[in-house]
Amino acid sequence: DSGVTQTPKHLITATGQRVTLRCSPRSGDLSVYWYQQSLDQGLQFLIQYYNGEERAKGNILERFSAQQFPDLHSELNLSSLELGDSALYFCASSPQGAYTEAFFGQGTRLTVV
Amino acid sequence: AQTVTQSQPEMSVQEAETVTLSCTYDTSESDYYLFWYKQPPSRQMILVIRQEAYKQQNATENRFSVNFQKAAKSFSLKISDSQLGDAAMYFCAYRRIGQFYFGTGTSLTVIP
Repeated sequence: DSGVTQTPKHLITATGQRVTLRCSPRSGDLSVYWYQQSLDQGLQFLIQYYNGEERAKGNILERFSAQQFPDLHSELNLSSLELGDSALYFCASSPQGAYTEAFFGQGTRLTVV
Repeated sequence: AQTVTQSQPEMSVQEAETVTLSCTYDTSESDYYLFWYKQPPSRQMILVIRQEAYKQQNATENRFSVNFQKAAKSFSLKISDSQLGDAAMYFCAYRRIGQFYFGTGTSLTVIP
């Protein structure tokens, strides 16, 4: 158990809909990262938050947005969903410090039908 | 931008044998960290081993060790005495300050 909690584990929704994925980082971790992993693909970095502020942005679509709340949990909002958005979405957290590893949640498997 | 390259999309190894997975990276920095993550069929991302760039000694964790060649920007993972449970996708990752950069992964099959 990495200590990072993601909910829900599975999500099935229709095209055009909007969903929210939730992540609770490890206790004390200030950084949260979101990644997308399509079937048999690598990890695509979406966005990073540090202590409530956006720190870095990757290949995140305009239909996607995220935020980190004062209690450090984070949410990834996906809207106007398309079939191609079906993927495994990972949240990871890391402690303060530039060179520590990232701890991953178990991911949310999103299926858009 | 930093890039991480894993040139072997797939590898296989006989059980109990040794296999080496390759990783190269591109950076102009001198201070950074490198990691190997394992993703078994459960899809959970599990840290296997990490290496600090300022350390010349190669990291070792039980049957897992790395060959870190800083000048060549190479960071390979050696798995000794391979076990069936080692079958997974392996990702190499580079970290500099806040950002992580992942390779595209190597799928390892362990043959009984």
